[in-house]
Amino acid sequence: DAKTTQPPSMDCAEGRAANLPCNHSTISGNEYVYWYRQIHSQGPQYIIHGLKNNETNEMASLIITEDRKSSTLILPHATLRDTAVYYCIALNTDKLIFGTGTRLQVFP
Amino acid sequence: GAVVSQHPSWVICKSGTSVKIECRSLDFQATTMFWYRQFPKQSLMLMATSNEGSKATYEQGVEKDKFLINHASLTLSTLTVTSAHPEDSSFYICSAQDRGNYGYTFGSGTRLTVV
Repeated sequence: DAKTTQPPSMDCAEGRAANLPCNHSTISGNEYVYWYRQIHSQGPQYIIHGLKNNETNEMASLIITEDRKSSTLILPHATLRDTAVYYCIALNTDKLIFGTGTRLQVFP
Repeated sequence: GAVVSQHPSWVICKSGTSVKIECRSLDFQATTMFWYRQFPKQSLMLMATSNEGSKATYEQGVEKDKFLINHASLTLSTLTVTSAHPEDSSFYICSAQDRGNYGYTFGSGTRLTVV
């Protein structure tokens, strides 16, 4: 699986959009990009995934660059409950391998 | 949506005893389940992959005889920590793959404390 790189931490004001970047420069053509988040002492929660096209669901939007070497997860209106560790994963071999993620702190 | 139930949510056991953790997919069939462990302030580490009806595949460095995995049905996988020691204290999390929608759903985790 391709290695992903994320900033260790980010802050976001409540109500503002949170944009979480992920670099996956070695991603191959058939590797999906998955995003999960983990709130303290809970199991990871699925957010969104995509291959080439941008994706949107009720939780977030996923923007994948045309060369697929990076992506951005967008939480359009962050709330305090969005405070969590966000993981970007490039999936190929049917196993989710977690990196260190980005700790997002949403403040009032 | 897909739900994975993990039980127990926490357990305290004495050193030298064995502990069994159950992971059930409630509304879908999971041909593949995964077991992770997570130490405080660290990321999830994949321990093993279990496929229904076959032996589990362990990641490098994970002791097969210590962490016994059984995937007897399409909805149930169990992880048994044998002869537990304090260093096995950790947060154990299972995940089930729903091949119908490419989704991976996680259980809520089990916090194991060995005293």
